[in-house]
Amino acid sequence: DAGVIQSPRHEVTEMGQEVTLRCKPISGHDYLFWYRQTMMRGLELLIYFNNNVPIDDSGMPEDRFSAKMPNASFSTLKIQPSEPRDSAVYFCASSLTGKSPLHFGNGTRLTVT
Amino acid sequence: AQSVTQLDSQVPVFEEAPVELRCNYSSSVSVYLFWYVQYPNQGLQLLLKYLSGSTLVKGINGFEAEFNKSQTSFHLRKPSVHISDTAEYFCAVSGDNFNKFYFGSGTKLNVKP
Repeated sequence: DAGVIQSPRHEVTEMGQEVTLRCKPISGHDYLFWYRQTMMRGLELLIYFNNNVPIDDSGMPEDRFSAKMPNASFSTLKIQPSEPRDSAVYFCASSLTGKSPLHFGNGTRLTVT
Repeated sequence: AQSVTQLDSQVPVFEEAPVELRCNYSSSVSVYLFWYVQYPNQGLQLLLKYLSGSTLVKGINGFEAEFNKSQTSFHLRKPSVHISDTAEYFCAVSGDNFNKFYFGSGTKLNVKP
């Protein structure tokens, strides 16, 4: 089991550019979560999917953020346009059920200059 | 809404000393409780979980936690810490009525030689 795979590990971009973060969940896991971690706010849930369907996106900060899950093995989190305050570590996690432990990827460290 | 409170943001301790990291949650319904550990530049890893049954739960690396329903607590303990335990620890809760996880703000454990 390769675990949850995120790419890229690091992303540095300029303000105004589009950023796409990618996630491959563990095979067979029905739930996928996107979190953002910052020093100021800690871990924030942005959005989660069940069977590829977005269930709760109340944590998505603004319309600049969007997430998709076109199939069970792939999800993207897009920021367009990016701003310096979006700088954070973005984690993807998956779980077998809504109550099973989360399995986290290693995160994408985003820096927007 | 559910909430998780980790009362200590930082806990310094000497090597081989015992440690307790505190976690309290707010929920009036059945909950599932988790402790995660995050090492620098890595994602969160599951340390232990309480789903049902015995209130004393043992996890990896010698950690254990006790579920106390009357005090709505799930404190993490280790009788003798090692330098390698230096990391940030997160308490999390999910439940029958909510298919997502609520995380505490984290406790940084700093083990000194």
